[in-house]
Amino acid sequence: GDSVTQMEGPVTLSEEAFLTINCTYTATGYPSLFWYVQYPGEGLQLLLKATKADDKGSNKGFEATYRKETTSFHLEKGSVQVSDSAVYFCALSGGGTASKLTFGTGTRLQVTL
Amino acid sequence: NAGVTQTPKFQVLKTGQSMTLQCAQDMNHNSMYWYRQDPGMGLRLIYYSASEGTTDKGEVPNGYNVSRLNKREFSLRLESAAPSQTSVYFCASSERSGTSYNEQFFGPGTRLTVL
Repeated sequence: GDSVTQMEGPVTLSEEAFLTINCTYTATGYPSLFWYVQYPGEGLQLLLKATKADDKGSNKGFEATYRKETTSFHLEKGSVQVSDSAVYFCALSGGGTASKLTFGTGTRLQVTL
Repeated sequence: NAGVTQTPKFQVLKTGQSMTLQCAQDMNHNSMYWYRQDPGMGLRLIYYSASEGTTDKGEVPNGYNVSRLNKREFSLRLESAAPSQTSVYFCASSERSGTSYNEQFFGPGTRLTVL
């Protein structure tokens, strides 16, 4: 079945540092890929998405490129802020009428001054 | 728009008690979902409803039942709560799509503790 593997956290960075959170996936067919973010005490929000190979999703300075050859969708940001502290989830949707999501385990990011 | 709303926000139950978690969305979405979130496990799908009148099991359905009351509402019921059901529960909704792209919108969650 479908699966998503994320790097273990927590990730602790100083403000303005470069961020990479690795995500790889296993799926049949051509899934869509997502990054969701969860701020403390809140539900998940969509951060960015990519629906086909070589697509780059971007939002709020975050980027991720759908790499079919390496089955990866790594999240990057050039300069993190304290307000980026949250848990980040990589997910895929294999399609179908219900478009169910398969999530990774999440990576906690802590940004310090 | 309120988006996806869930009640209650917090609940403490004793083993064997029953309760229903409520979820409603005002985005006219066709599909709705219930997840549980446990430390180190990410989110796991409990049940989903692809459209009004249908429900299907997800990855971890045991111990739960659901009702798609109408297009807006999708409830999750624990008939006899167990400590293993201590978790944070999230409801989500999305437009039905024939393609794989389908953003889900999440509620704020219900934190449930079973003693």
